[in-house]
Amino acid sequence: LAKTTQPISMDSYEGQEVNITCSHNNIATNDYITWYQQFPSQGPRFIIQGYKTKVTNEVASLFIPADRKSSTLSLPRVSLSDTAVYYCLVEGDDKIIFGKGTRLHILP
Amino acid sequence: SQTIHQWPATLVQPVGSPLSLECTVEGTSNPNLYWYRQAAGRGLQLLFYSVGIGQISSEVPQNLSASRPQDRQFILSSKKLLLSDSGFYLCAWSVAGIESPLHFGNGTRLTVT
Repeated sequence: LAKTTQPISMDSYEGQEVNITCSHNNIATNDYITWYQQFPSQGPRFIIQGYKTKVTNEVASLFIPADRKSSTLSLPRVSLSDTAVYYCLVEGDDKIIFGKGTRLHILP
Repeated sequence: SQTIHQWPATLVQPVGSPLSLECTVEGTSNPNLYWYRQAAGRGLQLLFYSVGIGQISSEVPQNLSASRPQDRQFILSSKKLLLSDSGFYLCAWSVAGIESPLHFGNGTRLTVT
């Protein structure tokens, strides 16, 4: 059973900032939070990972509050090519379970 | 650099036929290896994972099996395919022992007819 809850779908427009929030109320002390992006007929691709506070890389930012019971993936200035399914995972051991993900649709 | 190879890319098999999908990883040692399946329009279902040669954990009871005959080789098999085995099969690896993200292969699209 997946340890996370995220919206099933979201729509946004090109050029906007998109924030996808994930709930993980039962996160364990040794769990990390990882986000993946998946395009149709491809395997998921790693986007970003964090443990607490804020992590930023060239494609996204990840915000994690002090209680770590949720996290927010922030995609700055999205484009049509960001239309994909985004998965939030909490990983703390070798068994890695994916939830249903959030289907993000970017409109022109 | 590390690479993952998965083949074949597509496969059409009749019901009752056997299956063998192979995945190999290059450029790393003792990786964790995973098999996932994704039905059309659905999420990823973890089928098997392995933390070492000969060590296989099965997540879903079904007519599939997995083997890890070598450190960087992971094989998914079936003796008799069912229609419900159709789907997109993905192999993935991660570095063992630390918080390493998964790296996926390109997948195999299996259609059982």
